[in-house]
Formats: sequence, C-alpha cells, structure tokens
Amino acid sequence: GQNIDQPTEMTATEGAIVQINCTYQTSGFNGLFWYQQHAGEAPTFLSYNVLDGLEEKGRFSSFLSRSKGYSYLLLKELQMKDSASYLCAVTHSDNYGQNFVFGPGTRLSVLP
Amino acid sequence: NAGVTQTPKFQVLKTGQSMTLQCAQDMNHEYMSWYRQDPGMGLRLIHYSVGAGITDQGEVPNGYNVSRSTTEDFPLRLLSAAPSQTSVYFCASSYSILVREGRYVADTQYFGPGTRLTVL
Repeated sequence: GQNIDQPTEMTATEGAIVQINCTYQTSGFNGLFWYQQHAGEAPTFLSYNVLDGLEEKGRFSSFLSRSKGYSYLLLKELQMKDSASYLCAVTHSDNYGQNFVFGPGTRLSVLP
Repeated sequence: NAGVTQTPKFQVLKTGQSMTLQCAQDMNHEYMSWYRQDPGMGLRLIHYSVGAGITDQGEVPNGYNVSRSTTEDFPLRLLSAAPSQTSVYFCASSYSILVREGRYVADTQYFGPGTRLTVL
C-alpha cells in the first residue's frame, strides 16, 4: 500500500523561513509533487522531484531523498499570501502506468 | 484556454438520487482523473483514464462510474447518492507519456475548480 505523512498544521511569521516535511512509503515510486491549495480553491502545482536533491524555484525549494522516503518543501521570505495548505503527492506505478497518492496536507498559517 | 472546467460548482442531493458531475479540458491532455477531498484525509483518487476508451479504478471507486468517450470529457456518475459521498470533488488532467507498451507516466496535473456536493 501507499502511506504519506505530513504535519497537520504549522505556524510561521511573515519574512521567516519554514520547512514542511513529508515522509512516504510506497511501492513503485516514480516521483514526488508539491501542491499549494488555498482555502476553497483547487490545488496548484509548486514543484516536482524525481531524483535525489534540491529543486529551487524562486522562494520555494523542494528536496527529495528516495532512500529515506523523505521530502521537504522550503518556503523562504514568507508572505501572508503563503497561508494555505501544502499537499505532498507521490506518484507510483499502477495498472496503466502512474498514479498519484496525496498526503493529508499541512495547513500553514503565516502571522504578521 | 479555459483549462479544466467542472460543473456544477455546488449540488445538494437526497439519498438515493443519481447525478453526473461534468469535467472538461481543452488542453488535449490524455490523462484525466477524479478525486474527492474530505477534511483531514487529503485527496483520494476515485477513477482515472489514460485516454479515450480507457479507464481504471483508483483508491475509492465504489458508488461511482466513469466513461471516457472523448479526449476532452470525463464525467463522474453517482449511481445512488449516499451521505458518505458528501465531499468536494476535483477533476484533474495532465499530459501522459508512453514509457513502454501499455504503460504511461502522468505529467503535472491541472485541477478544475471543484464541485461541492452535499447528500442529505
């Protein structure tokens, strides 16, 4: 089976740095996605890791260690608009190829 | 491009009623999927499709049917609504890459705005 774990909630201050962790157990791992979801809205893509290491995109970075089943999303220079849920999703092999399994999400609150 | 569209945005059903949630995309994506999102449980895959005429079950398929007659459309049918199906439903689409015969890899998914369904 597939299992993904994330902290339920986190709080940070505007301008700070926050790291959101994701651990997973899955068979047939292909890659790991991070999505952002504001309340009442659809998820939107943030980053994608296939190989071990760090992927940087502006204020957002994502790290993957396949041997440890571990990823994190790093958000720098936090802004109020970063208050949202952050979803970790693992892709794995299924009947026709690849499917997504989502973690429960981490609700981040950015305080002034 | 409109991207991924879903209708309706809100729906209230009575137990036992049936209905179809519509999903369409204009990006010529082969891969489409349906998720439900419940508090504290994240997104769970209901059904998916890797192309017209090809569908498969996800994690929670019971009580739902799908079909894929065209690349653009992927409707989700609730056969006999139950209160346990009260949820927010998201449709998503992406390009898929044929890695070897019969097997595909899905690219970044684009989500529709969601349908909020209440079953009384």
